[in-house]
Amino acid sequence: EVQLLESGGGLVQPGGSLRLSCAASEFTFSSYAMNWVRQAPGKGLEWVSGISGSGGSTYYADSVKGRFAISRDNSKNTLYLQMNSLRAEDTAVYYCARSDRASMVRGVTGYWGQGALVTVTS
Amino acid sequence: DIQMTQSPSSLSASVGDRVTITCRASQGISNYLAWFQQKPGKAPKSLIYAASNLQSGVPSKFSGSGSGRDFTLTISSLQPEDFATYYCQQYDSYPWSFGGGTKVEIK
Repeated sequence: EVQLLESGGGLVQPGGSLRLSCAASEFTFSSYAMNWVRQAPGKGLEWVSGISGSGGSTYYADSVKGRFAISRDNSKNTLYLQMNSLRAEDTAVYYCARSDRASMVRGVTGYWGQGALVTVTS
Repeated sequence: DIQMTQSPSSLSASVGDRVTITCRASQGISNYLAWFQQKPGKAPKSLIYAASNLQSGVPSKFSGSGSGRDFTLTISSLQPEDFATYYCQQYDSYPWSFGGGTKVEIK
């Protein structure tokens, strides 16, 4: 069964940095695009970023562009989200989600991790 | 960017009721529409993709329809385990976008 396990969440001050990881197992990691989706407390879902299976294509929401960087290490079956210049409005549970294809084009996110909480506060 | 508008934002229903949730895209997205179910404190669960295709293991009481701009999710006979929040999501173009959610509560 597909497993996605996020880690690296925690408490950080405004302007600080944090790196989330998503460890994948039970599937061929490099064959699937991956995404980060977040959910602020009591709010809806917001897509944050996505990366193709090879890592050659990346996409970002305008709200995080220039501050966040998505990457992956296919040799370690791990997805990352480097978050810099964090703001209070970045406080959320961050989910990694697997697409159904390697390409970023029109992929369906069928599998989600359990989420990692990031709290940005002074 | 494509905006997704869900309605209603919440509804109260009884066990056994038929429930319909609608989702409208700000522009045509063909059938690149997914539905998710989320229970409190849990990750979203994929129910439907390509507007009307059930994910593996999802019971047939869930159904989806629509194309272009207008879509619906129907639960044919609401059961206690179906009380949750439901989201639509377009994956036709980036940035992907979600509807605001529909909270289905017990009447």
